[in-house]
Amino acid sequence: RKEVEQDPGPFNVPEGATVAFNCTYSNSASQSFFWYRQDCRKEPKLLMSVYSSGNEDGRFTAQLNRASQYISLLIRDSKLSDSATYLCVVNPRGGYQKVTFGTGTKLQVIP
Amino acid sequence: SQTIHQWPATLVQPVGSPLSLECTVEGTSNPNLYWYRQAAGRGLQLLFYSVGIGQISSEVPQNLSASRPQDRQFILSSKKLLLSDSGFYLCAWSNPSGVNIQYFGAGTRLSVL
Repeated sequence: RKEVEQDPGPFNVPEGATVAFNCTYSNSASQSFFWYRQDCRKEPKLLMSVYSSGNEDGRFTAQLNRASQYISLLIRDSKLSDSATYLCVVNPRGGYQKVTFGTGTKLQVIP
Repeated sequence: SQTIHQWPATLVQPVGSPLSLECTVEGTSNPNLYWYRQAAGRGLQLLFYSVGIGQISSEVPQNLSASRPQDRQFILSSKKLLLSDSGFYLCAWSNPSGVNIQYFGAGTRLSVL
């Protein structure tokens, strides 16, 4: 089993739709979780951290389910500018030097 | 604020030629530094990371090497490039304490022909 797994997509959704991505991780001791966004041919950029109680940033909501070992990202009212690849990132131990990146889920928002 | 610089943005090199990619970070001290490679349509592969000057950890055995001659400088090198070295090379830094959020440079797109 891979350390971090994501559905590669693509998810093709119309503008204004709500879309959700999941990411599963294998190490139950993992401490920190993040979502990054990567535009085509660009570097990944931090979208948001994922907190145990769940957190929201505008149209974006991130949640953590430790029992089932997955994190999720919900995007409401999708915009064309949300089209990108979304990378799930897991830090296996708090403060550890390395993190593990998922291979990403591609989102295409259609006019 | 912290910034990370990576150059060049694109590079076309013949097989067998040497490589040197440089990355510098400003606005922070003693950062953790990372080199990743992303092949077309693939995920990020960690190549090297460093927690201090002269301290390099290699994740994947290959014909690449890394050096950290200064606190905020990280260099990726090769003596002889292979076709399989083509890809998008990304440098990243993180704060040595805390939860290891990584911040990336703009990347170098390398084509080995």
